[in-house]
Amino acid sequence: GAVVSQHPSWVICKSGTSVKIECRSLDFQATTMFWYRQFPKQSLMLMATSNEGSKATYEQGVEKDKFLINHASLTLSTLTVTSAHPEDSSFYICSVRLTGGLTDTQYFGPGTRLTVL
Amino acid sequence: QKEVEQDPGPLSVPEGAIVSLNCTYSNSAFQYFMWYRQYSRKGPELLMYTYSSGNKEDGRFTAQVDKSSKYISLFIRDSQPSDSATYLCAGSLGGYQKVTFGTGTKLQVIP
Repeated sequence: GAVVSQHPSWVICKSGTSVKIECRSLDFQATTMFWYRQFPKQSLMLMATSNEGSKATYEQGVEKDKFLINHASLTLSTLTVTSAHPEDSSFYICSVRLTGGLTDTQYFGPGTRLTVL
Repeated sequence: QKEVEQDPGPLSVPEGAIVSLNCTYSNSAFQYFMWYRQYSRKGPELLMYTYSSGNKEDGRFTAQVDKSSKYISLFIRDSQPSDSATYLCAGSLGGYQKVTFGTGTKLQVIP
């Protein structure tokens, strides 16, 4: 498997500020990482695919200028929520994916809970 | 229609019971199927994954896929209170195609 960490685990910020969330793959070099958002009692919704050394691919309806993704190395991807508003309060989770042959598995980080006041 | 559907529960069972968790999916092209366990305020943890139809067993857990009926199941034997969590099923086409998750079924195992 793969071990994935996120930092911070929770953050509270004022409306209008920007928040950066880090996702690290600790034992696996990930050319691709994924960012999800999960609202209470809802499923995981893919926000974007983070590609090392190139631009992220965003899902329909996700504002790329609001959710900035940087995948600067094979072990680190960052998600910056710019000008955060209360409706951005959610649980943000990143993952790495191991795929090939008969395998398609995804390993998630512990998540970051963002609360925007 | 959602691509992957799950009964949200909650499903309450006594300790030691056999638990059956189920999902249906609509995309007949899905080849890979996964089950995740998610504790409150934590990231999902991969439990099992299977390729195509068939069964796969790991300890107290058995995953079953029936592609003809587009039905995915997870069985938990000798359920424990520590199994209390939300269980998410997921399907994908493989490669780096999007993984589609169900909304999750909340399980409560009562001591």
